[in-house]
Amino acid sequence: GAGVSQSPSNKVTEKGKDVELRCDPISGHTALYWYRQSLGQGLEFLIYFQGNSAPDKSGLPSDRFSAERTGGSVSTLTIQRTQQEDSAVYLCASSSDKLSGSGNTIYFGEGSWLTVV
Amino acid sequence: RKEVEQDPGPFNVPEGATVAFNCTYSNSASQSFFWYRQDCRKEPKLLMSVYSSGNEDGRFTAQLNRASQYISLLIRDSKLSDSATYLCVVFSSNTGKLIFGQGTTLQVKP
Repeated sequence: GAGVSQSPSNKVTEKGKDVELRCDPISGHTALYWYRQSLGQGLEFLIYFQGNSAPDKSGLPSDRFSAERTGGSVSTLTIQRTQQEDSAVYLCASSSDKLSGSGNTIYFGEGSWLTVV
Repeated sequence: RKEVEQDPGPFNVPEGATVAFNCTYSNSASQSFFWYRQDCRKEPKLLMSVYSSGNEDGRFTAQLNRASQYISLLIRDSKLSDSATYLCVVFSSNTGKLIFGQGTTLQVKP
């Protein structure tokens, strides 16, 4: 597609349920990022995929969070046993190559707004 | 200390004013720098990249000072439509991650 596509755009779930959030990056983009933004807060890095390299998972807040990227394209972020503090917008972004000082940058999807009740 | 720090504001300015935002970063290996704009309940969008020589795009001027590890954004002749949160973004090759500042909120008043 023309831009980064995320689904669902909105999700309300009960505490303790699992949720899956999907990201379809811009075609041809090799790098994919997940960020989380709580209301009124800054962006929190979660995980980064680059090509076939092992993902950088250093930002995942707990072992309830996991992400995978199949075939180097679509990515799924899974949150198990959701808690109320997981409520946030989950933003996916992609870029055409690993950023290396070239000035290349990343483009965001519109986010998946998660509310845990 | 946060890797990227910004004054959260808010900055309240009248239309036509000039306003400047600063951002400091802690990782001296940082290579690429950007300013993003985020409107309320929207995703961040690239405003401009920041180059060592400084760069200008219309009313917006970005500067980078590597020695002092700070980045600035200057907005001249502020418009109502400039009201948003401005995010300072730093890429460091040794971590391979883009790190976002908390953002600076600008409110331009008529």
